[in-house]
Amino acid sequence: EAQVTQNPRYLITVTGKKLTVTCSQNMNHEYMSWYRQDPGLGLRQIYYSMNVEVTDKGDVPEGYKVSRKEKRNFPLILESPSPNQTSLYFCASSLKGSLSGNTIYFGEGSWLTVV
Amino acid sequence: AQTVTQSQPEMSVQEAETVTLSCTYDTSESDYYLFWYKQPPSRQMILVIRQEAYKQQNATENRFSVNFQKAAKSFSLKISDSQLGDAAMYFCAYSPQGGSEKLVFGKGTKLTVNP
Repeated sequence: EAQVTQNPRYLITVTGKKLTVTCSQNMNHEYMSWYRQDPGLGLRQIYYSMNVEVTDKGDVPEGYKVSRKEKRNFPLILESPSPNQTSLYFCASSLKGSLSGNTIYFGEGSWLTVV
Repeated sequence: AQTVTQSQPEMSVQEAETVTLSCTYDTSESDYYLFWYKQPPSRQMILVIRQEAYKQQNATENRFSVNFQKAAKSFSLKISDSQLGDAAMYFCAYSPQGGSEKLVFGKGTKLTVNP
C-alpha cells in the first residue's frame, strides 16, 4: 500500500529538548516536504527536498532542520523546540511534484506540543 | 509571492443540497495547478479535485466540480447532493511552476452539513 508514514503521531515535549519527527515513503518519490498547520493559517511549507542530498527552505524554515540521506526518508529536526513550534506537522511526497499533476501524498500528521 | 484566499471561514449546507466554496489566488505565472483538499476531523489531507491551468475545461470528480476562471484568478468548488460525510475543512491550494514541490494553501473553509 502506498503510504507516507510519520512518527511520532503525538508528542509532548519540553522547551529546548531536541526532537526528530521521522517521515518515510514507500513509493520511490523524488519530492518530499514538510508542512505545519496552525489554526487560521492553513498549511505552510517548512522545507522541501527534490532528491537525495537536495533540500531547500520553504516559507517558515526558522527553528527547523532537515536531511535527505536516503530517498525514502526525510526527517524533520527541531534542535531546540520552543512553544511557538506547537503545531500539527505533515510530511508529503510526490513522484515529480505537483507541477506534473502527480498526486501529492500526505502523511497522517504529527501533533507536537512544546511546553 | 503567490497567495491563496478563501474568503469564507465557515459555510453550512443542508444535506442533499448544493454548496459552493470560494477561492481566489494571485500569481503572475501562466502554468500552474490548483487543488482542493478535504480535511475531516481525523486531520487526514484528502485530495478532492485538481485543475491544470492550461486546461479550459473545468475538472469534475463525481459530486465535486470546479469553476475555474483563469482571468479572474478564481477557483471555486461546488459540492452537489451534499452528504454528511462531506463535513470537513476544505483547503484550496496552488502549485507554482518552478520545480519545487510546493503547495500554497488558503486558510480553509469549514463546511458543516446539516441533516
